[in-house]
This record gives sequence, C-alpha cells and structure tokens, in this order.
Amino acid sequence: DAGITQSPRYKITETGRQVTLMCHQTWSHSYMFWYRQDLGHGLRLIYYSAAADITDKGEVSDGYVVSRSKTENFPLTLESATRSQTSVYFCATQPQETQYFGPGTRLLVL
Amino acid sequence: GENVEQHPSTLSVQEGDSAVIKCTYSDSASNYFPWYKQELGKRPQLIIDIRSNVGEKKDQRIAVTLNKTAKHFSLHITETQPEDSAVYFCAASKTTGNQFYFGTGTSLTVIP
Repeated sequence: DAGITQSPRYKITETGRQVTLMCHQTWSHSYMFWYRQDLGHGLRLIYYSAAADITDKGEVSDGYVVSRSKTENFPLTLESATRSQTSVYFCATQPQETQYFGPGTRLLVL
Repeated sequence: GENVEQHPSTLSVQEGDSAVIKCTYSDSASNYFPWYKQELGKRPQLIIDIRSNVGEKKDQRIAVTLNKTAKHFSLHITETQPEDSAVYFCAASKTTGNQFYFGTGTSLTVIP
C-alpha cells in the first residue's frame, strides 16, 4: 500500500477554481485509475490510463482532465471545480487483475 | 456496460454469527470478481477474489461463491468479530486493464 501515494490528502477549494490531485506510484505498473466515492454510489471511474500518454474516459469524466507524461504519475485536474465534485478521490494501480488503492484525497468544494 | 448490484446496503449481526453479502452482475463476459473492505476513513483493501473458472474460494473465515449461470456472487464471513465492521464492496471486471464495476457497498456492523 505504501507504494501508491496521493496528495493532498485534504483540500478545500471554491467553485470555479482549478484543482489538481496528484497520484504517484513507486512501482512501474502500466495501469492507473481515478475513482470518486460518494455515498450511495460506491466507487465510480473517472479516468484510466494503460501507459504513459494513453488515457481514456470512465463513466463520470465530465469536468475532469488527466495526463500521464510519466508512468509513475497520474494527476487529475478539475478544470473549474463545482460543488458536485465534492467527494473522496481514490487513485489505483493494477499490476495484474487486482487494483490497489491509494489513501484517497478528500475534496470539499465551497 | 456492466451493472453490479449489491445487497443488502446495511447489515447488522451479532458477534459470532455469519454475514452474507450478495452481488449480481449483468455482463456474462466478466470473469474476475474481487471483494474489498473499507474501514472508516481508509482506502478499500482487497480481502478476497474469485475468477470465473472457480466456483468457490475460502480464506480462513472469509469465503466467496460464484454462480456464473445466475450471474451472482456472494461474500460469506463466518464467526464475525467486531473488527469485521466496515463497508464491503464487490466488483466485476473482464480482463486486466479493464475497469472495475463496483457495487454500492454494504455497511456491516458486528455487535459485540
């Protein structure tokens, strides 16, 4: 678990601001994922990446942007934060079949 | 796409009793079914998984069963303990690199 980190762990921002959530892995797993977790919805996929410079949308990608210039980093950007993006965000890697999650970032948009 | 439904949403059991959580999936091509445990404020952590070529898997007090024909799989926890209290998520996926489709979670409370 220590091989995947997220920062910041907590973030408060205002509507309309740009926010970037960081995800870093110490391994070199090809696949990385971003999920958001909300009560009543479980974990929903925002974006995923199969390798550096290869990304694809998940079911709730509107309002989010990702990049992956290096294998170990997978930042998630909220271009113009909205209150509906208040959530807990989890990054995950997938060495084989199983996905392993980072500690999460709790984001509050005021 | 895949649709995973999970029941019940909340479950309370007496310490020592068994707990069963059930999930159904819609896509017959799904072939990997992990279960995650999430304690309050923590990350989801894998507790057990099963592949479609296996009907049952057991790890100490935890077991998972899979019925491919009916497209459902279940988590069984025996001899529950207070530390089993958490939210449990099931998921389904097809192959490595494909997204996981998660159930909405079951909040399990084990009453001492």
